[in-house]
Amino acid sequence: DQQVKQNSPSLSVQEGRISILNCDYTNSMFDYFLWYKKYPAEGPTFLISISSIKDKNEDGRFTVFLNKSAKHLSLHIVPSQPGDSAVYFCAASVGTYKYIFGTGTRLKVLA
Amino acid sequence: NAGVTQTPKFRILKIGQSMTLQCAQDMNHNYMYWYRQDPGMGLKLIYYSVGAGITDKGEVPNGYNVSRSTTEDFPLRLELAAPSQTSVYFCAAGTGPEQYFGPGTRLTVT
Repeated sequence: DQQVKQNSPSLSVQEGRISILNCDYTNSMFDYFLWYKKYPAEGPTFLISISSIKDKNEDGRFTVFLNKSAKHLSLHIVPSQPGDSAVYFCAASVGTYKYIFGTGTRLKVLA
Repeated sequence: NAGVTQTPKFRILKIGQSMTLQCAQDMNHNYMYWYRQDPGMGLKLIYYSVGAGITDKGEVPNGYNVSRSTTEDFPLRLELAAPSQTSVYFCAAGTGPEQYFGPGTRLTVT
């Protein structure tokens, strides 16, 4: 049972445009969500987080939106840059720091 | 600071062999984790530790063991390697929800 789902395996976006990566979850008890970026042959790198008491969190070009009623979160990257090309994972946790990861979305930003 | 280091980077094991994947961190983080990532999949938590002497199972602990005798080190032991354990293994450390990952160990069991 996949509790955290990233239904789009890949996404291509033109440089300068907005990238929107989506994540759905099934466990309504999740109270903390993270996004990670991963380049090939490297470990994931933390990008941005959001707790369930918020519906939006911004950090520079990255914004995460949380819709608890829909059990959905999204990561917006504006403007997208070629260096953003990577695999993006969302992850969710209930209280503790044991995170459940999604399967990832490969973003390709076209120059 | 080196952050989180993992050794070896690559390893090929024969079925039934044993090995230990090493993980060390110099950030003084209490929480440490071991994940595996299979091709096309997300990261699955194998074991985690909230501090020296305390470990607990994650989603996929079977076939693995861990120990945490110091804050810095969190080795992962494979006792009887099986082809199903072919994967990329990541160690991570953190003090809060954010985790800092090592570069990974690519393990092949044949």
